[in-house]
Amino acid sequence: QKEVEQNSGPLSVPEGAIASLNCTYSDRGSQSFFWYRQYSGKSPELIMSIYSNGDKEDGRFTAQLNKASQYVSLLIRDSQPSDSATYLCAVINSGGYQKVTFGTGTKLQVIP
Amino acid sequence: DAGVIQSPRHEVTEMGQEVTLRCKPISGHDYLFWYRQTMMRGLELLIYFNNNVPIDDSGMPEDRFSAKMPNASFSTLKIQPSEPRDSAVYFCASSTTGTGYGYTFGSGTRLTVV
Repeated sequence: QKEVEQNSGPLSVPEGAIASLNCTYSDRGSQSFFWYRQYSGKSPELIMSIYSNGDKEDGRFTAQLNKASQYVSLLIRDSQPSDSATYLCAVINSGGYQKVTFGTGTKLQVIP
Repeated sequence: DAGVIQSPRHEVTEMGQEVTLRCKPISGHDYLFWYRQTMMRGLELLIYFNNNVPIDDSGMPEDRFSAKMPNASFSTLKIQPSEPRDSAVYFCASSTTGTGYGYTFGSGTRLTVV
């Protein structure tokens, strides 16, 4: 079973702080990694993708990948109340077809 | 681009009835996925297609569930007969090489079986 593990939270951070969301995956052959944001009652929205080791920055968001440790993280700088949502880590497993396995998500609460 | 379009947005049906959920993927996307989301189990992959061909239906819970993709712009997920435990939000998503295979999700269909 190829798994993606996340702490379910909730993770509470004060407005303006850095939120750090973490994810581990079991399939060592995985090559593509994603973070989705899901507001309550809405569909998941792709916010970051990362394919190689290191950091990838997009605005206030930074994705970090360490394939040796099978670890992916998402940092949100200057957290805003509008960032309050569930963040889903997703991994494309090895094996040919582009099938994504999702973690169960971490609920983030940004406190004004 | 209108995104992935799902219909209906909400469906309330009685146990035993047939339910059909519909999805129009983004034009040019060659992968289409059907997911089900519940509080207890999170996002579960039911089935996915590549170039209209079903690739993996191992997530379809029972024979009561079936899915088709007759062409590149339309897919259906059918439940017959429906049961209360099928109540969930059903999402359709599409992807392609150009998106790095990141998904675009539709708005979902909230299904309630009473």
